[in-house]
Amino acid sequence: GIQVEQSPPDLILQEGANSTLRCNFSDSVNNLQWFHQNPWGQLINLFYIPSGTKQNGRLSATTVATERYSLLYISSSQTTDSGVYFCAVGDSNAGKSTFGDGTTLTVKP
Amino acid sequence: EAGVTQFPSHSVIEKGQTVTLRCDPISGHDNLYWYRRVMGKEIKFLLHFVKESKQDESGMPNNRFLAERTGGTYSTLKVQPAELEDSGVYFCASSQGHWTGELFFGEGSRLTVL
Repeated sequence: GIQVEQSPPDLILQEGANSTLRCNFSDSVNNLQWFHQNPWGQLINLFYIPSGTKQNGRLSATTVATERYSLLYISSSQTTDSGVYFCAVGDSNAGKSTFGDGTTLTVKP
Repeated sequence: EAGVTQFPSHSVIEKGQTVTLRCDPISGHDNLYWYRRVMGKEIKFLLHFVKESKQDESGMPNNRFLAERTGGTYSTLKVQPAELEDSGVYFCASSQGHWTGELFFGEGSRLTVL
């Protein structure tokens, strides 16, 4: 099956700093999503981005499908950005999406 | 429009007991998925329904787990008998159209087996 690797595994930032999270995947994908798992355990949809670039406020994401990676940018980080960020990918041959191990982000005030 | 809803939000049971988790997908979504995150590890796929049919149940860990989707609407995931290693968060997700569509997750059901 498809392999998904996220980096870095852990990231500690000071409030106001910028960060880039990376998701590498081993095969062609038809579906890629970024999620934020907040401290209450909820999975929040951030982006559905199988290709191209999207922006939503302080967050943006870029997927380069031909090179099999996606990047999530967080600018001017806030303490509420803390949590685990997951990348999940799926391909047309399998209905399921495969998750990476996540990046645990801690933003300190 | 209501999102994916899961019940209960938290369940605490003893080893050997039975628990049934329920998921109501977004109305009109044919695809329904179960995932779980155990021991703070990665989120793993359990199974995928298309309407009432099981499309893929390759992630179901063993025969103590039984999933059903009555009439292609809500789904239940029963664990019987529960073991300590079943503790974790069980997520349900749904999507419409082809299964490569965007997944929408519920808030999860946290299961604690003592």
